Amino acid sequence: AQSVTQLDSQVPVFEEAPVELRCNYSSSVSVYLFWYVQYPNQGLQLLLKYLSGSTLVKGINGFEAEFNKSQTSFHLRKPSVHISDTAEYFCAVSLYNFNKFYFGSGTKLNVKP
Amino acid sequence: GAGVSQSPSNKVTEKGKDVELRCDPISGHTALYWYRQRLGQGLEFLIYFQGNSAPDKSGLPSDRFSAERTGESVSTLTIQRTQQEDSAVYLCASTPLAVSTDTQYFGPGTRLTVL
Repeated sequence: AQSVTQLDSQVPVFEEAPVELRCNYSSSVSVYLFWYVQYPNQGLQLLLKYLSGSTLVKGINGFEAEFNKSQTSFHLRKPSVHISDTAEYFCAVSLYNFNKFYFGSGTKLNVKP
Repeated sequence: GAGVSQSPSNKVTEKGKDVELRCDPISGHTALYWYRQRLGQGLEFLIYFQGNSAPDKSGLPSDRFSAERTGESVSTLTIQRTQQEDSAVYLCASTPLAVSTDTQYFGPGTRLTVL
């Protein structure tokens, strides 16, 4: 069975500090990996995705994520956060050749001034 | 262009009543997904439509839940005899193609409260 685990439900951080949001998955087949962001009172939107190739993926708003196959992880990072990054972040996986997406429980990033 | 829209944005109903939730996907998008998001939890897959193929209903939690989609247009999710545990935000997403590499485009959701 496939599953996605986001280890931290909430991450408080001060403005301009670095942040890492953790995501681990389990799957017996190849996966594609996604991070979605939900800003307050808005719908989910894609932040970045890993399909193949370089394991370091860059997304919008200065975020990046690294796919680590051996550790089955896809952690999201940003070197310096801004107040406007306050949002909920969801990690998701889809299976190769199977159109279903599995989402983690989300991590609320709270950036403090 | 217009994004995915959902209606109503909020729905309060009494236990035992039926409710119908609507999703308008982005025009031309082949695939459409429904998810449920309970408070403090992640997105739970409910059902998936791909063009004119038979839908994947494997995520529907009970036979009180059903959904329809005509071609590549509007979809409705119906919950019969609502229960308090049905209270959640119901999200709809559409994708341009029906492939697992696609980006999902989400609607704003319908917040359902069952009293």
